[in-house]
Amino acid sequence: DADVTQTPRNRITKTGKRIMLECSQTKGHDRMYWYRQDPGLGLRLIYYSFDVKDINKGEISDGYSVSRQAQAKFSLSLESAIPNQTALYFCATSMPADNTGELFFGEGSRLTVL
Amino acid sequence: GNSVTQMEGPVTLSEEAFLTINCTYTATGYPSLFWYVQYPGEGLQLLLKATKADDKGSNKGFEATYRKETTSFHLEKGSVQVSDSAVYFCALSQGAQKLVFGQGTRLTINP
Repeated sequence: DADVTQTPRNRITKTGKRIMLECSQTKGHDRMYWYRQDPGLGLRLIYYSFDVKDINKGEISDGYSVSRQAQAKFSLSLESAIPNQTALYFCATSMPADNTGELFFGEGSRLTVL
Repeated sequence: GNSVTQMEGPVTLSEEAFLTINCTYTATGYPSLFWYVQYPGEGLQLLLKATKADDKGSNKGFEATYRKETTSFHLEKGSVQVSDSAVYFCALSQGAQKLVFGQGTRLTINP
């Protein structure tokens, strides 16, 4: 089983619908992140959390919200999806004591907003 | 702010060819530098890293040297294989483990 699990892996929805992407991890890491990947733009940080009571905005947080339900769970919500939120979304984790910057990624959730 | 620029892809090579993927960065101070690889249908995984100037990161036959004078971290491999086909991302980190990624370079190796 994967250490960082994302659900759903694929989702097609319509404009205006509420969508939640979920991430769970068995690595015991405190730090969790949500990125989106768009062709030609690389990965951009949406939100990150360094522990259960800590939530921080990344560079592209508008239109998104997150919830850190437990150390192992970090969910991303789109309250009212729009077509330009069509992208591949990645959850990632890291160790706080590891300052090398290594992130551990899930397999991604592909979201299509029609 | 911090940024990373990679050579545009896609890059297509024949098996056993020499590979270079260019990466340059903009940052204040001394960031850590990384190459991540994304195989088809998978998430990103760390390929190699360097945390200070003149360090060389290496893994699976790939190498990259942290060049502060040219603000570069070019990825090289002497003889590529079909299994190296993937998307490669250069990234930097400057505190708080918030990585800044380049746009990615898609590499295809033909037999």
